[in-house]
Amino acid sequence: GNSVTQMEGPVTLSEEAFLTINCTYTATGYPSLFWYVQYPGEGLQLLLKATKADDKGSNKGFEATYRKETTSFHLEKGSVQVSDSAVYFCALSRTDKLIFGTGTRLQVFP
Amino acid sequence: ETGVTQTPRHLVMGMTNKKSLKCEQHLGHNAMYWYKQSAKKPLELMFVYNFKEQTENNSVPSRFSPECPNSSHLFLHLHTLQPEDSALYLCASSQDLGLETQYFGPGTRLLVL
Repeated sequence: GNSVTQMEGPVTLSEEAFLTINCTYTATGYPSLFWYVQYPGEGLQLLLKATKADDKGSNKGFEATYRKETTSFHLEKGSVQVSDSAVYFCALSRTDKLIFGTGTRLQVFP
Repeated sequence: ETGVTQTPRHLVMGMTNKKSLKCEQHLGHNAMYWYKQSAKKPLELMFVYNFKEQTENNSVPSRFSPECPNSSHLFLHLHTLQPEDSALYLCASSQDLGLETQYFGPGTRLLVL
């Protein structure tokens, strides 16, 4: 079946550190891939997406590349800020549905 | 501002109560969704509506009853809930069904006593 696996959190970093949050997926065919972010007390917001292999999604300094060979879509940012503290969800889209991972909490300290 | 609003933001109810959650989207979208978010579990898709017609019911217990009077409004009617139904209930919308980006509301935090 279709599923998304994310690294367990929390991920704790100091400001300006490099961030990687791993995401791998299992799917039939070629899904679209997404990263959503949920700030405290809010709903999910689309952060970035990629619709085909080797596409790179980017937004607000975050990047993720659709890797078909490794079925991965890892999220990276070169220098995190305290304001990036949130829960990050990897998701794939198949047959009209979004399938989410369990989320990874990121805590950034000054 | 995501364009999707939900009320109330917080709700406490007893197991014998009846309450309703409301979602409104101001984006002109045709598809709307209800999700349940519980701690340490993936988001669970509950219901999907497209052009006011229900297209998905993900084996949700009948104590949850959705209603979609038009493409802009979505309700979730609750009755005789259980404590394990306590969760964050998220509404989302998308332009159409398919591989479309979904836009989420802030959610209703529900506590069932």
